[in-house]
Amino acid sequence: GQNIDQPTEMTATEGAIVQINCTYQTSGFNGLFWYQQHAGEAPTFLSYNVLDGLEEKGRFSSFLSRSKGYSYLLLKELQMKDSASYLCAPEDTDKLIFGTGTRLQVFP
Amino acid sequence: DAGITQSPRHKVTETGTPVTLRCHQTENHRYMYWYRQDPGHGLRLIHYSYGVKDTDKGEVSDGYSVSRSKTEDFLLTLESATSSQTSVYFCAIAGRDPSYEQYFGPGTRLTVT
Repeated sequence: GQNIDQPTEMTATEGAIVQINCTYQTSGFNGLFWYQQHAGEAPTFLSYNVLDGLEEKGRFSSFLSRSKGYSYLLLKELQMKDSASYLCAPEDTDKLIFGTGTRLQVFP
Repeated sequence: DAGITQSPRHKVTETGTPVTLRCHQTENHRYMYWYRQDPGHGLRLIHYSYGVKDTDKGEVSDGYSVSRSKTEDFLLTLESATSSQTSVYFCAIAGRDPSYEQYFGPGTRLTVT
C-alpha cells in the first residue's frame, strides 16, 4: 500500500528553526517533493530530492533517506509569511502521492 | 508563474446535474492532473493525462471522467454531481519528464447542494 505520515500541526516562533518530518511507503519511488500551500491558495513547489542527502535552497533545506523512507523539510529564520501547510509528496512512477500536510503556525 | 488557468473558479450546482471543469495550459506540458482537496484528506488524484487522448485513473476516480482532445485542455466531468463531490479541485501540469515539479492552477471551489 501507499502511506505518507507527517505531523498534522506545528508551531514555532519568528526567527526560529523548524523541522517537518515525513515518512513514506510507496509501491514505486523516483524522488520526493515538498510543496507549500497558504490557506485558500494553490500548492507551490519548494524542493525536490532524488538522491540521499541534503538539498539547500536559501532558508529552506530538504533531506532524503531512500533506505529509511524518510524526508524532512528544514525552515530557518522563520518569518510570519512561512505560516502555511507543507505537503510531502513522494513520486511514484508518473504520479505524486500527497500526504495530508503539516500546518505550520509562526508566532511573533 | 506557469501558464495554467481553471474555469470556473467557483460553482454551486444541484445534486444530479452534470458539471464540467476546465483546465487550460499555455506551457505545452505533456502531463496534466486533476486533484481534489478536502480537510483531513490532503490532495487526492482523480485522473491524469500523459498525452492527448491518453488518460488514466487516480486514487478517487469513481464518479468522474476526463477528456483531453488538445495538449492545452484537460476537462473533468462529474456526470451526476453528488454532495460528496463538494470540494476544491486543483489542476496541475508537469513537463516532459514527470520527475519535474508539478505546477498547480488556482483551483475551483465546487459546492453541490
